[in-house]
Amino acid sequence: KAGVTQTPRYLIKTRGQQVTLSCSPISGHRSVSWYQQTPGQGLQFLFEYFSETQRNKGNFPGRFSGRQFSNSRSEMNVSTLELGDSALYLCASSPSTVRSYEQYFGPGTRLTVT
Amino acid sequence: GESVGLHLPTLSVQEGDNSIINCAYSNSASDYFIWYKQESGKGPQFIIDIRSNMDKRQGQRVTVLLNKTVKHLSLQIAATQPGDSAVYFCAENWSNTGKLIFGQGTTLQVKP
Repeated sequence: KAGVTQTPRYLIKTRGQQVTLSCSPISGHRSVSWYQQTPGQGLQFLFEYFSETQRNKGNFPGRFSGRQFSNSRSEMNVSTLELGDSALYLCASSPSTVRSYEQYFGPGTRLTVT
Repeated sequence: GESVGLHLPTLSVQEGDNSIINCAYSNSASDYFIWYKQESGKGPQFIIDIRSNMDKRQGQRVTVLLNKTVKHLSLQIAATQPGDSAVYFCAENWSNTGKLIFGQGTTLQVKP
């Protein structure tokens, strides 16, 4: 099976712009979670989607949003980018609602905000 | 913010030795505790999990120990190999949702 894929892998944006990141989960996985990884804050949970519904949300401002499509693919959007949004954004999918904590991560999208 | 702490940022071991990576967690209501490994340029990779009603679980070359009395979690890697070099994160989860709370990570360096 193909792993979790994320596009684009690298992105450079200017402060104030918006960005959309895409994630394709492993085939058959219906749960998708997003994380932000920075050297200072580590890995922080953004949100989780299951069957097109947001099931959990982390402590991020409303500028961060996401959605999931009927084919389980997910996107996250960050509006009005700030310098502090520079990070590696990781998407993870899970095969089972019984073990939602067993997540398979993609390689991430490296976002740089200048 | 929320976090599961790790005791040491870096651990250096000799190839063939056993490694022990420690983690302190804060939420006594967590149901599951999980270890992930992240190699350079990759996303984290699931290693092993342990449920809160257990105190020990073994996998292939890895053992996870859970001490709920002192809220401590550890990952033991037997016969550490160069391929084990990575950053190791502990994470906690409750209610079996997709929300993981990660610790800060320990970098394991394996010396040949």
